[in-house]
Amino acid sequence: AQSVTQLGSHVSVSEGALVLLRCNYSSSVPPYLFWYVQYPNQGLQLLLKYTSAATLVKGINGFEAEFKKSETSFHLTKPSAHMSDAAEYFCAVRGSGGSNYKLTFGKGTLLTVNP
Amino acid sequence: DAGVIQSPRHEVTEMGQEVTLRCKPISGHDYLFWYRQTMMRGLELLIYFNNNVPIDDSGMPEDRFSAKMPNASFSTLKIQPSEPRDSAVYFCASSSHPGQGDGGGLSVQFFGPGTRLTVL
Repeated sequence: AQSVTQLGSHVSVSEGALVLLRCNYSSSVPPYLFWYVQYPNQGLQLLLKYTSAATLVKGINGFEAEFKKSETSFHLTKPSAHMSDAAEYFCAVRGSGGSNYKLTFGKGTLLTVNP
Repeated sequence: DAGVIQSPRHEVTEMGQEVTLRCKPISGHDYLFWYRQTMMRGLELLIYFNNNVPIDDSGMPEDRFSAKMPNASFSTLKIQPSEPRDSAVYFCASSSHPGQGDGGGLSVQFFGPGTRLTVL
């Protein structure tokens, strides 16, 4: 079964600093991976997705993620944090075979941006 | 497109009462998902429908929970009787068919704003 682990439930950075949110996956097949963002009192929005076309994936709002098979990782980065990036971020992996409709989410990482 | 619509946005009820949460998926999407989000357990899939038919309800916690999808544009999640431990944010999401090959592009789930349920 597929699973994801997000390292660090809370990350705090200064405005303008690098953002790095970590996600490691476990999958018996080549995975499809996603990053979602949840702003306060809102639903989840897709940031970016990895579908094997390219290992470096660019998403919205300046975020990108790199798929590293050797490390089973899909970390999310942004070169310069903005106050508006403060939110909770979820990594997710899509199921395979008969479960390819399902997404399994990590526990989430809350990003705080300090002025 | 209005996106996934959920109602109510907030619900406060007393233990033992029936609660009904509503969802309107994005038009044309044939998959609908109900999730529950809590601090302790994170985001959990409760049930999902394909073409209005419940396919997998293994995440439904108890018989007190039931979900229906009478047509392609409407679904309900009902809790009867409600208990304080049901307090959570409930999300509805919809997607089109996952497809083959680069199916990741077709299996993106779009989430509604959620219903925050508080059971006293």
